[in-house]
Amino acid sequence: GAVVSQHPSRVICKSGTSVKIECRSLDFQATTMFWYRQFPKQSLMLMATSNEGSKATYEQGVEKDKFLINHASLTLSTLTVTSAHPEDSSFYICSASPTGGGTDTQYFGPGTRLTVL
Amino acid sequence: GENVEQHPSTLSVQEGDSAVIKCTYSDSASNYFPWYKQELGKGPQLIIDIRSNVGEKKDQRIAVTLNKTAKHFSLHITETQPEDSAVYFCAAQSTGGFKTIFGAGTRLFVKA
Repeated sequence: GAVVSQHPSRVICKSGTSVKIECRSLDFQATTMFWYRQFPKQSLMLMATSNEGSKATYEQGVEKDKFLINHASLTLSTLTVTSAHPEDSSFYICSASPTGGGTDTQYFGPGTRLTVL
Repeated sequence: GENVEQHPSTLSVQEGDSAVIKCTYSDSASNYFPWYKQELGKGPQLIIDIRSNVGEKKDQRIAVTLNKTAKHFSLHITETQPEDSAVYFCAAQSTGGFKTIFGAGTRLFVKA
């Protein structure tokens, strides 16, 4: 149980285009999902907290107009990198916490590697 | 702000030996401490967690200890195997805020 999927696993795009990444909780509902960014050999950096049915909460320094987050259902959150540039190239990982049950455990997706040319 | 320090950054052990990774946290409100294993090109996988009302937890070859007074927690892996080689992250979280602070990671190499 507690499986989180991400799609696509890998994407290469041209500078200036937008890229959408999907995060799905496959066998549980998640009121809250998180989006992280990870640079090579570094730790996870929280970008934003995504709450179903409401606006995402962005961490300091993360541009909300550049990284659009939509959490339209209890099993799906999307991250759209708008007008991507080479510096946006990174490994993006989502996580989800099961709704209710008194647990705050986060389960991570497999990640999406974005390369912007 | 909240901070989690993790040591060592790199750890190399011989197969069969034990490995210990240590973390300290700064936020006294933290009450949940998960450990994640991340293999190359993959997302982190939860391997064990501990809550503040428990001092130690064990799951087969993996154990975690927590000293809430000193704000220390550690991961112990016994009888290490080559497949244990990965990056391990500790984290600290307070239930109310729901924000998880990650350590910088430890790259573990288990030599056959």
